[in-house]
Parts: sequence; C-alpha cells; structure tokens
Amino acid sequence: DIVLTQSPATLSVTPGESVSLSCRASQGISTSIHWYQQKSNESPRLLIKFASQSISGIPSRFSGSGSGTDFTLSINRVESEDFSVYYCQQSYSLPFTFGSGTKLEIK
Amino acid sequence: EVQLVESGGGLVQPGRSLKLSCAASGFTFSNYGMHWIRQAPTKGLEWVASISPSGGSTYYRDSVKGRFTISRDNAKSTLYLQMDSLRSEDTATYYCATDLFAYWGQGTLVTVSS
Repeated sequence: DIVLTQSPATLSVTPGESVSLSCRASQGISTSIHWYQQKSNESPRLLIKFASQSISGIPSRFSGSGSGTDFTLSINRVESEDFSVYYCQQSYSLPFTFGSGTKLEIK
Repeated sequence: EVQLVESGGGLVQPGRSLKLSCAASGFTFSNYGMHWIRQAPTKGLEWVASISPSGGSTYYRDSVKGRFTISRDNAKSTLYLQMDSLRSEDTATYYCATDLFAYWGQGTLVTVSS
C-alpha cells in the first residue's frame, strides 16, 4: 500500500498568514494526489485534484504543487473559515489511501 | 446540484449485518464510478470500496473483503454497501462519494457494539 505522510500534524497560524502543507508518498505516484478540507462535523470537500488542478467553487487562495513523491498544498493569506483539517489522498493505485491529516488551527 | 444522501446506519451487534444506501441525484449516476469511504470517531479517512459505472467491477480494502459487498442500482440512482460479519473496528461514519471523491454525502454512522 502507498503510505502518505502529512506534515506537520498541526499548524498554528494567524489569519492573514500564508501556509504550506506537505504530503509525502512512500513511492512515486506521478501527480495522482488530491487534497480535501474537512471542517468539524462536516463531510470532506475536494480542494485540488491531480496535484495542482483547481476545482470550481474553491477560492483561488488554495493551490497545489508537486509530482512524484512530494506534494504541497498552499493557502495564500489564511482566512478564518480555513481553520480545519486537510487530507491528501492518492489515486495512483488501489487501495486508495489518505494521509493522516494536518490540522490548521488559530494561533 | 449533486446530492448524495446516505441512510441505513445504526447500532448493531458484532457479527450481525447492516445495509447502507446512498441515493444520488443531480447527475447521471450510471456514468460514474462510486465509492464508500469511512471515518472512525476522531480518526482519519479510510477508503472502503469502489464500483465501476456499470457495476461490473468492484474493489475492496483487504480488511472488508469477503464481508462487505458494494453494489448499485442505476435505474434507482442508488449505491449500496452490504456489511456482514460486522466487527467493532467497523464502527465509523460511512460516506458515499462520486468518482475522484469530488462529491460526498453527509455520512451515516455505524456503531458495532454489544
């Protein structure tokens, strides 16, 4: 199985700061990585597909990059509504796997 | 607007069965693969099973193979998950999702406990 390692586990920031969240795959997965946001007691929401492709309706402050084994989700100028948990997920091979998540919290 | 509505969750004893449903609307259901993903209380996300648009191909994580069955009724735009021989470690909120996990339902909680 492909293991996805997300770091950091928790990120404490002040609204207005820009942040980068990391996801590292245990083997090369091209750009078959996707990012989700999950707010407390809500379903996950797709933010970025295939490493860097934007999703309709998602604010432009969210962007993704990377290929192979190292991927990054960037949030430009974090807003209050962004404080939640972020997961990466690979669709390169079955079983599909998720990272353990990065919790973005208010400093 | 895409809508996915899960139902069928509840409290069940270990070893018993439960069948989840996911009613889809707002898109052509028969054109898309569908998935079940679960999340144990306070834990992360875990893919459970997938099914092709026609239903002819199915895929499962190892821990549920032989116990869970994913199926679909394209005429009713409904996805199912038959869960047999349930274990305490199957306790989770179960979500259905469209291809690429682009859309998710609100989830249904399954609790396996005596």
